[in-house]
Amino acid sequence: AQSVTQPDIHITVSEGASLELRCNYSYGATPYLFWYVQSPGQGLQLLLKYFSGDTLVQGIKGFEAEFKRSQSSFNLRKPSVHWSDAAEYFCAVAPNAGGTSYGKLTFGQGTILTVHP
Amino acid sequence: DAGITQSPRHKVTETGTPVTLRCHQTENHRYMYWYRQDPGHGLRLIHYSYGVKDTDKGEVSDGYSVSRSKTEDFLLTLESATSSQTSVYFCAITAGVSDTQYFGPGTRLTVL
Repeated sequence: AQSVTQPDIHITVSEGASLELRCNYSYGATPYLFWYVQSPGQGLQLLLKYFSGDTLVQGIKGFEAEFKRSQSSFNLRKPSVHWSDAAEYFCAVAPNAGGTSYGKLTFGQGTILTVHP
Repeated sequence: DAGITQSPRHKVTETGTPVTLRCHQTENHRYMYWYRQDPGHGLRLIHYSYGVKDTDKGEVSDGYSVSRSKTEDFLLTLESATSSQTSVYFCAITAGVSDTQYFGPGTRLTVL
């Protein structure tokens, strides 16, 4: 069964500092990989996704993520954090397959980001 | 927002009562999903549907049933609610062209 681990439950950074959120997955093959963000009391918004090709993917709001097959990782990065980035971030994987398993996401536990002024 | 609505948005109920949550989409997407979100667990898949009357179980399906009699509606039913089902429930669809999953606004359910 696939699984996702986000080792950091809570991260605090200063505004303007760089950010890296970690995500490791367990899956028999290369899955589809996603990062979502959730602001308090809100739904989930897709930041970026990896399906194939270039292992460095760009997303919205200045975020990027790098897929490293050898490390089974898909870490999220941002060079300079803004106060509005404070939220909870979720890494997720889905089977790289069609049929009835299509789109079934497995989420990590989430990382809460706090941004200090 | 991919045209997804959920109703009700908030509900408080008592243990042992039946509860039905509704997910409605307006864009004719084939795949629909129900997740629950709990602190420390992220989101976990309850049930999903890959077409009208085609549904299957997810990771945490015990105590839940679903129905999909038409493309636009996916219903999640708690036959006899328990306090452990207090959670935030999210519906989602997958848009086929980009394979992106979009989420509804969520329903906060409290079982007393």
